Amino acid sequence: AQKITQTQPGMFVQEKEAVTLDCTYDTSDPSYGLFWYKQPSSGEMIFLIYQGSYDQQNATEGRYSLNFQKARKSANLVISASQLGDSAMYFCAMRGNYGQNFVFGPGTRLSVLP
Amino acid sequence: DSGVTQTPKHLITATGQRVTLRCSPRSGDLSVYWYQQSLDQGLQFLIQYYNGEERAKGNILERFSAQQFPDLHSELNLSSLELGDSALYFCASSVGASGRDEQYFGPGTRLTVT
Repeated sequence: AQKITQTQPGMFVQEKEAVTLDCTYDTSDPSYGLFWYKQPSSGEMIFLIYQGSYDQQNATEGRYSLNFQKARKSANLVISASQLGDSAMYFCAMRGNYGQNFVFGPGTRLSVLP
Repeated sequence: DSGVTQTPKHLITATGQRVTLRCSPRSGDLSVYWYQQSLDQGLQFLIQYYNGEERAKGNILERFSAQQFPDLHSELNLSSLELGDSALYFCASSVGASGRDEQYFGPGTRLTVT
């Protein structure tokens, strides 16, 4: 069975600093995808970044990058130059390319301090 | 605005009742996904449809059913409602069926069962 673990229920970061949100996963699928989503207090879900298990390079999207360490089964999200608008819940998720099922972690609440 | 619409925004109903949630995907998107977000269960994937056909199934209860119509809109039917079904129900859409495809989420339907 697939499982996502996010061990940080809450994180604080100073504005303009970088922050790393941890995500570890467990799967028996040889091929899978890893996702990060942001959920602001308004409630909508926003896709941030995707990493395929066979992608050679770590994914980057603007200020977001994914530190993918396949052997350690970790897919940490790095946000550079934090902004007040980054305050939100962040969810790590995965999908096996065979099982098709999406599994989400419990989330990390990030608070950016001015 | 993601381009995904969900109706209604809020729904209050009693235990034992049946409700239908509706989702219209972004123009051009063929896949529709349904998710449930509750305080105790977190974010859970329910089901995916691609071009009218069921593509993947997650933790969807037998009391719940969904379908995608020829015009690609989708409906999630929840029956014999229980208090524990109170949750935020998200619909998302993507261009293709692959897990790599970015999903665009709707604003959600908040269901309260009393």
